[in-house]
Amino acid sequence: GAVVSQHPSRVICKSGTSVKIECRSLDFQATTMFWYRQFPKQSLMLMATSNEGSKATYEQGVEKDKFLINHASLTLSTLTVTSAHPEDSSFYICSARTRGLAYEQYFGPGTRLTVT
Amino acid sequence: GEDVEQSLFLSVREGDSSVINCTYTDSSSTYLYWYKQEPGAGLQLLTYIFSNMDMKQDQRLTVLLNKKDKHLSLRIADTQTGDSAIYFCAEAPGGYQKVTFGTGTKLQVIP
Repeated sequence: GAVVSQHPSRVICKSGTSVKIECRSLDFQATTMFWYRQFPKQSLMLMATSNEGSKATYEQGVEKDKFLINHASLTLSTLTVTSAHPEDSSFYICSARTRGLAYEQYFGPGTRLTVT
Repeated sequence: GEDVEQSLFLSVREGDSSVINCTYTDSSSTYLYWYKQEPGAGLQLLTYIFSNMDMKQDQRLTVLLNKKDKHLSLRIADTQTGDSAIYFCAEAPGGYQKVTFGTGTKLQVIP
């Protein structure tokens, strides 16, 4: 199956700083990428959907100025958590989908963000 | 609105069959999925079924869909300790539409 990587796998940052998480599709072109957030023992919450070359579509309740998403190429999307606070600590997972395989979504391994 | 429900926990003995159940509310769902998540990892797509199918079998995995009752199940035959994980069902109304995930079922396999 297709491979999606995320970097970093774990990050600890101080409150008030910004953190960038990268999501890459390694062996296919990702026309659409998704960013999810997962709290402990909970399901995935979709934060935003990004299509290559266009602005991300954010889900209701997700602050677009706080969670900046850039999908600049067909293999890379980034999520920047700006002015992070301890409540932003979570597991962030990206996924990618390619045109023509609309029903298959491939997930990255996730990034554990801890804000101190 | 969309809502996908699962029981939180299932415990089985190694070698037995596991059945994980899921109910969804969106009658327009076209694609229904099962994902596996191991601790600290992302999600792995196990299998999916289209809404015009009743059953799909893939090696040890059998998916049953009751569209009338909006009920989806995943049966794992000959469950192994490596099957211990959280299993999420998910649904989407169309191929390019948002996927909604269930609450997840933690499967514990006892040796």
